[in-house]
Amino acid sequence: QSVLTQPPSVSAAPGQRVTISCSGSSSNIGNNFVSWYQQLPGTAPKLLIYGNNERPSGIPDRFSGSKSGTSATLGITDLQTGDEADYYCGTWDSSLNAGVFGGGTKLTVL
Amino acid sequence: QVQLVQSGAEVKKPGASVKVSCKASGYTITNYYMHWVRQAPGQGLEWMGLINPFDGGPSYAQSFQGRVTMTRDTSTTTVYMELSSLRFEDTAVYYCARYDGHRVGFLYWGQGTLVTVSS
Repeated sequence: QSVLTQPPSVSAAPGQRVTISCSGSSSNIGNNFVSWYQQLPGTAPKLLIYGNNERPSGIPDRFSGSKSGTSATLGITDLQTGDEADYYCGTWDSSLNAGVFGGGTKLTVL
Repeated sequence: QVQLVQSGAEVKKPGASVKVSCKASGYTITNYYMHWVRQAPGQGLEWMGLINPFDGGPSYAQSFQGRVTMTRDTSTTTVYMELSSLRFEDTAVYYCARYDGHRVGFLYWGQGTLVTVSS
């Protein structure tokens, strides 16, 4: 059971927009920055969003992040087949004094 | 450029120990925390613990306390994760990941090391 809660799967057609939610508590999302990671099959996770809503160099602006209270959201616009992957939210939990992740969301581009 | 290169796949019997290495290059390892994260087949990411860059002191997730040991060798810029008393459910890909602070998270990851526990 993951500390952060994500939907197991989402799907949308190419060119459409999709959002992935991540729910936590005051000890993690509520008082810490949220990062998002993209994991393509057979590869290591890749940082997609950091600081709740910032993109590392090289990440297209089709990817966006937001945070409100104890929840965060990843948004992906203009979906492409290459976006099919697992997406994880992550943050620090100040009560556990540990890193925490969501259970992951599998994105299918129909 | 920053690189984290991990040791190769391992097959271990239940009850044995495994030691995974992560060689860092392209930066000074005493400036950044190094964390370990594992992923069981078909499952999500699970945080295991970290190495403090300043004194090499570790901090472990509660679920691994007593079974995991994280160390580093600054002379070879290598970080190690040893897991003992292996169980079938420890079969997973183990990643080292450089922590760039609470704001950024994990910017650099190793390629992963598959540890298979099988009798």
